[in-house]
Amino acid sequence: EPEVTQTPSHQVTQMGQEVILRCVPISNHLYFYWYRQILGQKVEFLVSFYNNEISEKSEIFDDQFSVERPDGSNFTLKIRSTKLEDSAMYFCASSEEGTSYNEQFFGPGTRLTVL
Amino acid sequence: AQSVAQPEDQVNVAEGNPLTVKCTYSVSGNPYLFWYVQYPNRGLQFLLKYITGDNLVKGSYGFEAEFNKSQTSFHLKKPSALVSDSALYFCALLLWGSYIPTFGRGTSLIVHP
Repeated sequence: EPEVTQTPSHQVTQMGQEVILRCVPISNHLYFYWYRQILGQKVEFLVSFYNNEISEKSEIFDDQFSVERPDGSNFTLKIRSTKLEDSAMYFCASSEEGTSYNEQFFGPGTRLTVL
Repeated sequence: AQSVAQPEDQVNVAEGNPLTVKCTYSVSGNPYLFWYVQYPNRGLQFLLKYITGDNLVKGSYGFEAEFNKSQTSFHLKKPSALVSDSALYFCALLLWGSYIPTFGRGTSLIVHP
């Protein structure tokens, strides 16, 4: 069964450093998403991406964040200058269509630890 | 603003007993409701969804959920729990016309042998 993959599974970085989290969505999916979950808190939407551009983003997704689909398979989330509060689990997801009732398929997550 | 509440951080149940994981929601408008499960070191996996129609929705692994509009609830149920059902369960809500879900905090289900 096809699945969303994410690398690395755990990333440790120093405050102020740039990190890139990578995702490979399911191959025939067209809509891509990033979410984060701070330990013990809710899963929060960050950004959605379709047709090589951001379609929606939350208040959390400020200028420190960017997303890119550099090739036909990868979907990346970059945090330019990490802060302590960026420490969280980051989930990538993809869906076949962008309609409300299409379920999203999630990757296993990348645990980001900012020291 | 819409919100999802999962009032229990943890639910403990003995194997073979029925289980319920609670979810209530608040929204102005018609919701789509979802349940996802997360096993250790895995991503969230879709279990079931309510879109419209029959209030009782059946999903994967023998799970079902009942949409109750008057109580604004969408509790997840299974008649007979398995140890392998132990995982983190997330309820999520979508407004009609939106595709960005609002998630609950998650409920840890522990099924004891």
